[in-house]
Order: sequence, then C-alpha cells, then structure tokens
Amino acid sequence: AQTVTQSQPEMSVQEAETVTLSCTYDTSESDYYLFWYKQPPSRQMILVIRQEAYKQQNATENRFSVNFQKAAKSFSLKISDSQLGDAAMYFCASMEYGNKLVFGAGTILRVKS
Amino acid sequence: GAGVSQSPSNKVTEKGKDVELRCDPISGHTALYWYRQSLGQGLEFLIYFQGNSAPDKSGLPSDRFSAERTGGSVSTLTIQRTQQEDSAVYLCASSLSPGQGVTGELFFGEGSRLTVL
Repeated sequence: AQTVTQSQPEMSVQEAETVTLSCTYDTSESDYYLFWYKQPPSRQMILVIRQEAYKQQNATENRFSVNFQKAAKSFSLKISDSQLGDAAMYFCASMEYGNKLVFGAGTILRVKS
Repeated sequence: GAGVSQSPSNKVTEKGKDVELRCDPISGHTALYWYRQSLGQGLEFLIYFQGNSAPDKSGLPSDRFSAERTGGSVSTLTIQRTQQEDSAVYLCASSLSPGQGVTGELFFGEGSRLTVL
C-alpha cells in the first residue's frame, strides 16, 4: 500500500527567503507520480508541481522545485523567494499508475513579512 | 463551468439525519474521487470511481456512507444517520484516466463543509 509521510507539521519562512518542505513515501510500484498540492484558507486544492517517477530530472515550476531521490523515496519541495501568498497548507501526495492519490498529513507554511 | 463543482458549499444538519453531497466533475474526466478532510487534518480517501463503477471504495468509514455516479458524470455521496464525527469538509476531485493521456493530476472542487449538531 502507498504511504506518504510529512514529518513537519508546521514551517515558517521569512519573506524572500527559501524554505524546503520534506516528504517521504513508500510504494511497491515502479510507475507512479508524485505531487505537491497547496491548500490556502479558501479550501481549494491547487497543484503546485508534479513529478513522474521515471524522470530523473527534478521538476521545476517558477519559484517551486523538487528534490526527487527515488532510491531514498524522498520528494522535498523547495520554495524560493517566498511570498506572503505562499502561506498555506502543503500536501505531498503519490499516485500509483491507475490508482488513487494518497496524501501526507500536510505541512502548514507561515510566511513572515 | 470549467472546474469541479460541489454542492452544497455548507450544510448544517442534526444528528441522525441523512445528507447528500453532490459533485459535478470536469467534462470528459472519467475518474472521480471523494476525500474527507477533518479540521486541520490531511485528506482521507473515501472512494474512487472509474466511469460509473467504483473499483476502490475501501475508504468509506462505515455502511452509513455510500456513493454513486450516474452517466459517468455527477456523483452523490450520501451519509445516513449522521453522527457528530462525520463533521468535516468533503472534497471531490476528477481527473483524466490512464489511456486518456494521463497526467495523474487531480482537479479539486472547493468542498462541502458538513456540520452535524
């Protein structure tokens, strides 16, 4: 069974600084996807970044990038130049091919001005 | 609309009453998911539809919970004889499925907040 673990319940970062959110996962499959979703107070889940497991290159989306370590089953999210609008709950998630999305418990990110 | 639509946005009910929550997925998305999120918690998987069938309903907490999907589109999550512990936000998501140029990405609605008094 898939499991996703986020060991940081809460993180804080100063505006314009960089922060890294940790995530580890477990799966028995070779084909899977990994995701980071953001949930602001409005409740709308928003996809931040996606990584296909067969791709060795780390995904990047503007200020967001991941450090994907397949052997270690680690998938951390780095947010550069943090902005006040980045404050939200961040969920790491994995999806085995053709299966359901499994979420971690989430990390609350606070951005200080 | 272009996104996943859920109704009602908020529902307050009395313990013991039945409630129905509706999800209208993105047109063309054959996969539909229901998740439950308790206050300040992560997302708990409830059930997954592929078309009108549910290959995985392992997350339904009890037989008071049921869901159906008709016409490969709208889904209804029904909770019978509601209990206070059922209070949560119920999120629906839809996605393209394998064979449809899968991206793996789920598109979420804004959720239905259920409060059981």
